[in-house]
Amino acid sequence: DTAVSQTPKYLVTQMGNDKSIKCEQNLGHDTMYWYKQDSKKFLKIMFSYNNKELIINETVPNRFSPKSPDKAHLNLHINSLELGDSAVYFCASSPSRGDSQGEQFFGPGTRLTVL
Amino acid sequence: GQNIDQPTEMTATEGAIVQINCTYQTSGFNGLFWYQQHAGEAPTFLSYNVLDGLEEKGRFSSFLSRSKGYSYLLLKELQMKDSASYLCAVRSGGGNKLTFGTGTQLKVEL
Repeated sequence: DTAVSQTPKYLVTQMGNDKSIKCEQNLGHDTMYWYKQDSKKFLKIMFSYNNKELIINETVPNRFSPKSPDKAHLNLHINSLELGDSAVYFCASSPSRGDSQGEQFFGPGTRLTVL
Repeated sequence: GQNIDQPTEMTATEGAIVQINCTYQTSGFNGLFWYQQHAGEAPTFLSYNVLDGLEEKGRFSSFLSRSKGYSYLLLKELQMKDSASYLCAVRSGGGNKLTFGTGTQLKVEL
């Protein structure tokens, strides 16, 4: 199946731990994103990479570090997890703007719960 | 900064028509997207407007007025499966950064 996939789907961990979420897309897109959706369902951009280069870096604590080993993968590492990090994290990808209207395709989400 | 407003909740009847409004304030407007998100699932793309006017895709249509900073999503012949959150998102600048509204939770009743 062509899609954006994320692992794990659920992640329950203790405060202070370090965890990673992985994202892969096989759509051949150049750009990938990380979003955070909080308990009020507000979806907010965190980071974006284009061909492994960081192009969007919103006001996010530096405990969050994205890594893109190649243009099909964008991982998110979170250090020293806090209660407020509990949310659903969505990965997304999009083609280059010149190829299309640039709509973003979202992965299934990772529900992170920090205890 | 950017500001995007949508109603929080709407209720409509199966078979009816519903219009979900979105107003926005932004600099460097470069397109408006509508996404549908069912509970516990990922947002899925519905429509895109960058020029003024109406874009129709089956039962769903989306309208844009750039001078008024206004868009709406029109859903016709409502079905129970249309119960979901509808997210308005504005793209600004030369990149592909989207700023989302808080979403409108639509409930379709019998």
